[in-house]
Amino acid sequence: QVQLQESGPGLVKPSETLSLTCTVSGGSISSTSYYWGWIRQPPGKGLEWIGSLYYSGSAYYNESLESRVTISLDTSKNQFSLRLTSVTAADMSVYYCARFVAVAGQADSWGQGTLVTVSA
Amino acid sequence: QLVLTQSPSASASLGASVKLTCTLSSGHSSYAIAWHQKQPEKGPRYLMKVNSDGSHTKGDGIPDRFSGSSSGAERYLTISRLQSEDEADYYCQAWGGANHVFGGGTKLTVL
Repeated sequence: QVQLQESGPGLVKPSETLSLTCTVSGGSISSTSYYWGWIRQPPGKGLEWIGSLYYSGSAYYNESLESRVTISLDTSKNQFSLRLTSVTAADMSVYYCARFVAVAGQADSWGQGTLVTVSA
Repeated sequence: QLVLTQSPSASASLGASVKLTCTLSSGHSSYAIAWHQKQPEKGPRYLMKVNSDGSHTKGDGIPDRFSGSSSGAERYLTISRLQSEDEADYYCQAWGGANHVFGGGTKLTVL
């Protein structure tokens, strides 16, 4: 059974770059049956899709974040990463990584999430 | 624009059944959606995918108490024989092209 685990700094200063990594175990991120993505949940609010990345390298991002987001794969480590630049207090959230079913589209596996606080 | 609408809250008694609704925006009534359960301090858990014809595909280990159905632009999640651990937030998710959207979530209280 696939497992996903987020890691990265829990505190980022305003205007700096947020960087998180998702380590996948029990499955290969090179599989063409799935693609990989990030979702976040600000305190007290709902889920927001950030972006997704296919093994082919094609990436798709939420329009509201597109200018600041990069998602990348590291197949050698079976990991994928999120980079969000110029963060503000509005970016403070629990960040989740997830696996999406390639043909169907649903997120079928999630990480447990990591809280990122934005503060000087 | 693909938008999902959910009621903010729902409640039902222990042992009873509850039906949660996710409504697709105009022009998107043929879309499938997925339901996810979010318990406090835990990552979301995929429950099932619900197609426009009402068929559904559940995730691994999801109890038979959870089922899905559809009517027009509405997608439903029914939970039978409610247990205390079912108290959680429930989100629907849809996808259009390469983009994904989530509903605002329904907070389910088990009385």
